Amino acid sequence: ETGVTQSPTHLIKTRGQQVTLRCSSQSGHNTVSWYQQALGQGPQFIFQYYREEENGRGNFPPRFSGLQFPNYSSELNVNALELDDSALYLCASSLVASPNEQFFGPGTRLTVL
Amino acid sequence: DAKTTQPPSMDCAEGRAANLPCNHSTISGNEYVYWYRQIHSQGPQYIIHGLKNNETNEMASLIITEDRKSSTLILPHATLRDTAVYYCIVRVAIIQGAQKLVFGQGTRLTINP
Repeated sequence: ETGVTQSPTHLIKTRGQQVTLRCSSQSGHNTVSWYQQALGQGPQFIFQYYREEENGRGNFPPRFSGLQFPNYSSELNVNALELDDSALYLCASSLVASPNEQFFGPGTRLTVL
Repeated sequence: DAKTTQPPSMDCAEGRAANLPCNHSTISGNEYVYWYRQIHSQGPQYIIHGLKNNETNEMASLIITEDRKSSTLILPHATLRDTAVYYCIVRVAIIQGAQKLVFGQGTRLTINP
């Protein structure tokens, strides 16, 4: 059973740039959720994808967008990066029919300069 | 919209039981309580969850009060590897079929030799 993987592990961008983060869900999981974790804080829910569509969204602006592919992998895109976007970005996969556990990946550390 | 309150830090001696409290006084009747832990900014690791009954698994026990306004995570024989930030989480419905985990600030648990 393959766990949740994310790429890249670290990334440095400058203000105004755009970034794409990638997530491969655990084998057999059809739902992917993305979270943002600022330093010293708990993770905050960004959005969830199921069947290639956004299936719920947290309090994040539209410049945060995502995709889910037929193989259930997912991308998080952030446009017009701001300094406050510096954070650990986590994805978690689960089975929508059995959401008892969300399995988290190791995260991507994004630094915006 | 964090729905949980935890002490910011706790210490426990190795080999003793670690009891981590959590208040969730605004929890709704169909919202589950989850516990995850996070080590060194890795992805959060699932520990246990419950609705209203006490639960036990190979990692821990979860005691939920009858009024469901608080709970306690018990690590029965803490080891140094249990040093981590522990999050008490409420799983909230977004829309039908979609759930999100609402993290609080967590408790930094330090296991001392």
